[in-house]
Amino acid sequence: DTAVSQTPKYLVTQMGNDKSIKCEQNLGHDTMYWYKQDSKKFLKIMFSYNNKELIINETVPNRFSPKSPDKAHLNLHINSLELGDSAVYFCASSYGTSANNEQFFGPGTRLTVL
Amino acid sequence: AQSVSQHNHHVILSEAASLELGCNYSYGGTVNLFWYVQYPGQHLQLLLKYFSGDPLVKGIKGFEAEFIKSKFSFNLRKPSVQWSDTAEYFCAVSPGGSSNTGKLIFGQGTTLQVKP
Repeated sequence: DTAVSQTPKYLVTQMGNDKSIKCEQNLGHDTMYWYKQDSKKFLKIMFSYNNKELIINETVPNRFSPKSPDKAHLNLHINSLELGDSAVYFCASSYGTSANNEQFFGPGTRLTVL
Repeated sequence: AQSVSQHNHHVILSEAASLELGCNYSYGGTVNLFWYVQYPGQHLQLLLKYFSGDPLVKGIKGFEAEFIKSKFSFNLRKPSVQWSDTAEYFCAVSPGGSSNTGKLIFGQGTTLQVKP
């Protein structure tokens, strides 16, 4: 069984479009995260949610809007896509917000904006 | 600002060679330290972690790391690498104490290639 899953795995789209990436975890965790990995492989936190409540919002453009319909899902919606949004987006989850808790990562979604 | 630096971007070793990957962080408070690995085509997974106690921590697959507080370092080691250790390795730091939000700050990763 896949612990943290993301769809789609690959996403190719034109500038200006709006797209969503979905994330689901079946681990019973209550905290979920979105990370962005740029072309230089830097992984950077974007958002985290705990029990559907926003905990971390790291100076991400407001074109990015996370949505957590329940604690097993954290979707990422991106409006007006730009070339610089091209990256690999990773979802992760953990028990609680404590740094002591291991984060489990999804397989990533490679977004290419043309 | 908090940051993590991994000195080696690309390391090529022969099987049975010893490995040491450097990791330094900049943060003055309590930290939790991690090494994650991403094997080709697979998810990021935890290799090992340090929260407190013995600064020498052991992880899966024979890896270990040593936390040296005075050097702000958390280097990853393995005495004898195998071809199957070929992967991307990421060091990460999470501020602890009152700054604890679970946020992971990653280094830029090291690509390890082990030649059979």
